[in-house]
Amino acid sequence: GENVEQHPSTLSVQEGDSAVIKCTYSDSASNYFPWYKQELGKRPQLIIDIRSNVGEKKDQRIAVTLNKTAKHFSLHITETQPEDSAVYFCAASIRTGNQFYFGTGTSLTVIP
Amino acid sequence: SAVISQKPSRDICQRGTSLTIQCQVDSQVTMMFWYRQQPGQSLTLIATANQGSEATYESGFVIDKFPISRPNLTFSTLTVSNMSPEDSSIYLCSVEDTKGYTFGSGTRLTVV
Repeated sequence: GENVEQHPSTLSVQEGDSAVIKCTYSDSASNYFPWYKQELGKRPQLIIDIRSNVGEKKDQRIAVTLNKTAKHFSLHITETQPEDSAVYFCAASIRTGNQFYFGTGTSLTVIP
Repeated sequence: SAVISQKPSRDICQRGTSLTIQCQVDSQVTMMFWYRQQPGQSLTLIATANQGSEATYESGFVIDKFPISRPNLTFSTLTVSNMSPEDSSIYLCSVEDTKGYTFGSGTRLTVV
């Protein structure tokens, strides 16, 4: 099955700085890559996703890039705010409607 | 996004007993997914539940321990059987909707 690795496991940044989280996947057939944010005690919430036919997608302060050749994708958060503090999970799926596999998570702390 | 009602939200159970978790979706979905999230860990897929057929289990999970029902396109249950303290975890259901994958609010299970 798919194997998704995520780095770093913890990340601390100063408010206003950028944060970057990276994931690699093993199955070249994977074509859907969502990112989830999970605040303490809450369910994971989808924040952005990308499909394999695009290389980059941006939504306000959040962007995701995908390199299919290298089989890695990254989450970029600019102008970080304290409310961005949470655990972020990447995931990969072979196709829409199929199960997907999560990375190990990154605990992001934004220091005011 | 789909709205998922998951219950119970939490429970404390005696070892050797069983607990059934329910997920109700406000729209018809082909597949429902069941995940386990151990404290401070990532989400691990337990099984995929299709209406009208046996659930498909991931490596390390078996039907005798985690029987699943999927009687219709809006409802599924996961039972954690013959529980031990190692089963203490958060269990979440998930479905695919127009905005990606949405999670239920989770069931926090503690086995004593």
